[in-house]
Amino acid sequence: DIVMTQSPDSLAVSLGERATINCKSSQSVLYSSNNKNYLAWYQQKPGQPPKLLIYWASTRGSGVPDRFSGSGSGTDFTLTISSLQAEDVAVYYCQQYYSTITFGQGTRLEIK
Amino acid sequence: QVQLQESGPGLVKPSETLSVTCTVSGGSISSYYWSWIRQPPGKGLEWIGYMYNRGSSDYNPSLKSRVTISVDTSKNQFSLKLSSVTAADTAVYYCARGTTAYSRSWFDYWGQGTLVTVSS
Repeated sequence: DIVMTQSPDSLAVSLGERATINCKSSQSVLYSSNNKNYLAWYQQKPGQPPKLLIYWASTRGSGVPDRFSGSGSGTDFTLTISSLQAEDVAVYYCQQYYSTITFGQGTRLEIK
Repeated sequence: QVQLQESGPGLVKPSETLSVTCTVSGGSISSYYWSWIRQPPGKGLEWIGYMYNRGSSDYNPSLKSRVTISVDTSKNQFSLKLSSVTAADTAVYYCARGTTAYSRSWFDYWGQGTLVTVSS
């Protein structure tokens, strides 16, 4: 299985500031035949299911605000929230779908 | 608007079989890959497996020997059975929609989840 490791485990950021969450895969999730990274990001608030934010490492899901962006390739990926809003408090997960689907352990984002 | 709703018994005894059903509304169950994903209380997400119409399925190797996912297109439902459960199978079980084109993909619609507790 591909192991997904997120950092940090938790993060506190001031309102309006940038938040950055990292995700590292134990092997590359870049498929050479189509040059796509098989990596998604989700946001999960308490008592709710995960919500899709990003797929193909950098494509925003439907209705996702443009303050959320994804970057990276191969084994190293980043989710960036450009200007933190109060409603962004949540746990964030990365997921690879290159092989048997696995998720990162989650990063808890709080307001400083 | 696609909606998914899980249903099933909230309590299962150890060694018995856990059964959960997902009802899909607002769209056809055909042509998409449908998955089950679980989340133990306070922990992360684990993919269990997917079903595509009646044509194909695949399961997480760590659970494969105990898992069956089936689909009933007439009812727009798909179901999960997990046999020989232990306390480690206590989790919120989510159903989720994948894509039409990729057996492994991201999940754009999720059910609200159902908590299944394994206890005598």
